[in-house]
Amino acid sequence: KNQVEQSPQSLIILEGKNCTLQCNYTVSPFSNLRWYKQDTGRGPVSLTIMTFSENTKSNGRYTATLDADTKQSSLHITASQLSDSASYICVALSGSGYALNFGKGTSLLVTP
Amino acid sequence: DTEVTQTPKHLVMGMTNKKSLKCEQHMGHRAMYWYKQKAKKPPELMFVYSYEKLSINESVPSRFSPECPNSSLLNLHLHALQPEDSALYLCASSLWESGEQFFGPGTRLTVL
Repeated sequence: KNQVEQSPQSLIILEGKNCTLQCNYTVSPFSNLRWYKQDTGRGPVSLTIMTFSENTKSNGRYTATLDADTKQSSLHITASQLSDSASYICVALSGSGYALNFGKGTSLLVTP
Repeated sequence: DTEVTQTPKHLVMGMTNKKSLKCEQHMGHRAMYWYKQKAKKPPELMFVYSYEKLSINESVPSRFSPECPNSSLLNLHLHALQPEDSALYLCASSLWESGEQFFGPGTRLTVL
């Protein structure tokens, strides 16, 4: 069964600090892994997409890593801002097409 | 135009009402999706349209009826809904079925 597990479930950090979110996946066959940011009551916005051959990808202050051998990914946020407060969702796509396997998300709160 | 738009933003309806949700994109994407998202849960796939034809129906109750009048437009017709159908309904599109999905802002539906 395809599964995506994220940790921590929630996280509170001070503005300006860095943080790292984790994602473990068991998806077969694996196609690519995506990180989305979702503000409350809004649609998810794509941050990064990585295929199995990519180890790291950056999007501004967001850097995602992927270890296809251990089936783990992380999202590192540098110099956090208040606007980073959101849910961060890890999504693994299997090679069989459209199906997105969503994690339950990490809820991040950045405080002043 | 590089976004997916959804209308209305909010909808309150009674259990005997008939209403429709609308989704539009002008990115030339040929796959479009409806998702349902409950609070603090990941999105759940409902329907997939590929080249204006229904490709996937994830065993959704018949009180939800999708329609794809053309390649840019996707509707979700609602009839005789239940209070438990209250959720955020997200539309997404991608260039093809396994491509990167772009999400709309969602319609917040409340069924009384």
